[in-house]
Amino acid sequence: DIVMTQSPLSLSVTPGEPASISCRSSQSLLNSNGYNSLDWYVLKPGQSPHLLIYLGSNRPTGVPDKFSGSGSGADFTLTISRVEADDVGVYYCLQTLQTPYTFGQGTRLEIK
Amino acid sequence: EAQLVESGGGLVQPGDSLRLSCAASGFAFRSYWMTWVRRAPGKGLEWVADIKDDGREKYYVDSVKGRFTISRDNAKNSLYLQMNSLRAEDTAVYYCALLLAGYWGPGTLVTVSS
Repeated sequence: DIVMTQSPLSLSVTPGEPASISCRSSQSLLNSNGYNSLDWYVLKPGQSPHLLIYLGSNRPTGVPDKFSGSGSGADFTLTISRVEADDVGVYYCLQTLQTPYTFGQGTRLEIK
Repeated sequence: EAQLVESGGGLVQPGDSLRLSCAASGFAFRSYWMTWVRRAPGKGLEWVADIKDDGREKYYVDSVKGRFTISRDNAKNSLYLQMNSLRAEDTAVYYCALLLAGYWGPGTLVTVSS
C-alpha cells in the first residue's frame, strides 16, 4: 500500500499570512498519462470533504486562486497564499494511483 | 447540479448488518467509478471501496474485505454498500463520492455499539 505522510499535523496561522502543507508518498504518484494522482481536500466542521486541488496542481472551478498545489513524483505541497478565518479545517492529501487509495493523516489548520 | 445523498445509517449491534444507499443525480452516473469513504470519530478519512462504472470491478480496503460489498444499479442511479459482521471500529460517517469530479454526499452515520 502507498503510505501518505503529511506535515505538519497542525498549523496555527495569522490571518493574511501564508500556509504550506507537505504531503509525501512512499512511491511516485506519476501515472501512465504523465499526471500526478494526488488530490487535496479540506474537511470543515459539519461539512463533507471539499476538493481543492486535483492531479497535483489543478484547481477546480470555484476554488479560490489563493489555493495552489505543487510538486511531482512523491513530494507535494498545498499552499494557501493568504489565510482567512474561513480556512479553518483539516486538510488531507489523497493518492488515487492505485487501490487501496490512501489519505494522509490530515493537517489541522487553526487561526491565531 | 450534481448531487449525492446517502441514507441507511443508524445504530446497530456488533455482528449486525446494514445496507447504505447513495442516490445520485445531475451527472451521468453510469459513466463513472464510484467510491465509499468513511471518517471514524476523531480520526481521519479512510477510503473503503470503489466500483467500476459497469460494476464489473470492485476494490476494498483490507479491513472490510469479506464483510462489505459495494454494488450499483445504474438504472436507478444508485450506489450501495452492504455491510455485514459489523464491528465497533466500523463506526463512522460514510460518504459516497465521485472522486474524479470532487462530488461528495453529506454522509450517513453508522454506529456499531452494544
